[in-house]
Amino acid sequence: GAGVSQSPSNKVTEKGKDVELRCDPISGHTALYWYRQSLGQGLEFLIYFQGNSAPDKSGLPSDRFSAERTGGSVSTLTIQRTQQEDSAVYLCASSHQTGEDGYTFGSGTRLTVV
Amino acid sequence: DQQVKQNSPSLSVQEGRISILNCDYTNSMFDYFLWYKKYPAEGPTFLISISSIKDKNEDGRFTVFLNKSAKHLSLHIVPSQPGDSAVYFCAASARTSYDKVIFGPGTSLSVIP
Repeated sequence: GAGVSQSPSNKVTEKGKDVELRCDPISGHTALYWYRQSLGQGLEFLIYFQGNSAPDKSGLPSDRFSAERTGGSVSTLTIQRTQQEDSAVYLCASSHQTGEDGYTFGSGTRLTVV
Repeated sequence: DQQVKQNSPSLSVQEGRISILNCDYTNSMFDYFLWYKKYPAEGPTFLISISSIKDKNEDGRFTVFLNKSAKHLSLHIVPSQPGDSAVYFCAASARTSYDKVIFGPGTSLSVIP
C-alpha cells in the first residue's frame, strides 16, 4: 500500500498475556521506528531499525519488550506478560535512510491492558 | 529529563489570526528540527522541518523559526484555519548520528471559527 500499515488497530488484552503488534512500512523505506504515546503524554521512542538491524534499542522500557524486522520490511513489536502501564497507542513510522523528509507514521495500535 | 519541551499543552486562536507554537530543546547536539501534526485516531503527519544552518523555513501558511543560541524554535501558522485544529509535536534529531527523532509532548491547537 501507499502508507504505513499497522495491525491490529485496537487490541484489548488481559494482564499477563503476550501481544504482538505488526507494522508494514512503505515499500523501499529502509528505516523503521516504533514509538508509543501514553494517555496525555508525548511520543516516546522505543526502537529504531535500519534494514533488519536495530542499532538503537535504548527506548525499550523493559526486557518484556522486543522487536524484530525481517526482510527489511515488516516489523513486529512483542510485549510479554503485559502490564496495565503498557496501555498506550503504539505508533510505527518509516522513512528513507536519511529521513530528511520526515517520517511517515501509521495510524497506530491502541493497546488496552485490563 | 525531557530533551524537547513544549510548555503550552494547549492554545486557542481565532480563525484568520496567527498561531504561534513554541518549542525548546536542551541537547546542543540537535541539528535538525521537525514539526508534526496529529489528528485524533490518526498517526502524526510531517509538516515542516528546519536544519540548524538556517534560521527560517517557510512553506505556505507555515513558517518555522529557529534560534540556536536560545535553543528555541517556533511554528507560525498564518492565517489560522479551523482545519488546523490538531495536536502539534515539535521534534529534534542529531543528524550526525542516526535518525532517532525525539518528540516533545505536543500542543493542542484549537482554531475557533
